[in-house]
Amino acid sequence: QKEVEQNSGPLSVPEGAIASLNCTYSDRGSQSFFWYRQYSGKSPELIMFIYSNGDKEDGRFTAQLNKASQYVSLLIRDSQPSDSATYLCAAAGGGNTPLVFGKGTRLSVIA
Amino acid sequence: DAGVTQSPTHLIKTRGQQVTLRCSPISGHKSVSWYQQVLGQGPQFIFQYYEKEERGRGNFPDRFSARQFPNYSSELNVNALLLGDSALYLCASSLLSGSNEATQYFGPGTRLLVL
Repeated sequence: QKEVEQNSGPLSVPEGAIASLNCTYSDRGSQSFFWYRQYSGKSPELIMFIYSNGDKEDGRFTAQLNKASQYVSLLIRDSQPSDSATYLCAAAGGGNTPLVFGKGTRLSVIA
Repeated sequence: DAGVTQSPTHLIKTRGQQVTLRCSPISGHKSVSWYQQVLGQGPQFIFQYYEKEERGRGNFPDRFSARQFPNYSSELNVNALLLGDSALYLCASSLLSGSNEATQYFGPGTRLLVL
């Protein structure tokens, strides 16, 4: 059973702080990893994807991947109240395997 | 460019009825996947289609079926609706299937309520 685990939260951080969201996955064959943001009542919106070990930065967002530890994280710098949402971590293997999602972590940025 | 579009946005049905949900992928995308998201959970994979062929199926009963048309749009059909089918149904499109170009972009979803 391929699983992606996330702490459901809520994770509360003050405005301007760094929010750290974490995710672990069970399938060692997973090759690509995605972070989606989902506002209440809306559909998931892609934030970042990462395929290689290490860090990948895009603006205020940094994704980190450690395949040996089967661990993915998302850092949000200078958090804003508009970042308050549920963050979904997803993993996909090679070939025709679909996305496997975690349950999501709810982030609340307090002004 | 237009993103993924889905119709209808909301739907109310009663138990035992049938429903058809529609999706149009991003222009140039040939792969469409369907996901079901119940409240408080992450999306669960239902089907993936690429070049009009089924490429994957999740752990859903045979009441769920789908197809992809020559223009790459797709339909998801659910027969004999149960209360537990109430969920947000998401369509995602990607450029390719099963490769590093398989980043999936979601449509706005169809919210189905079964009474």
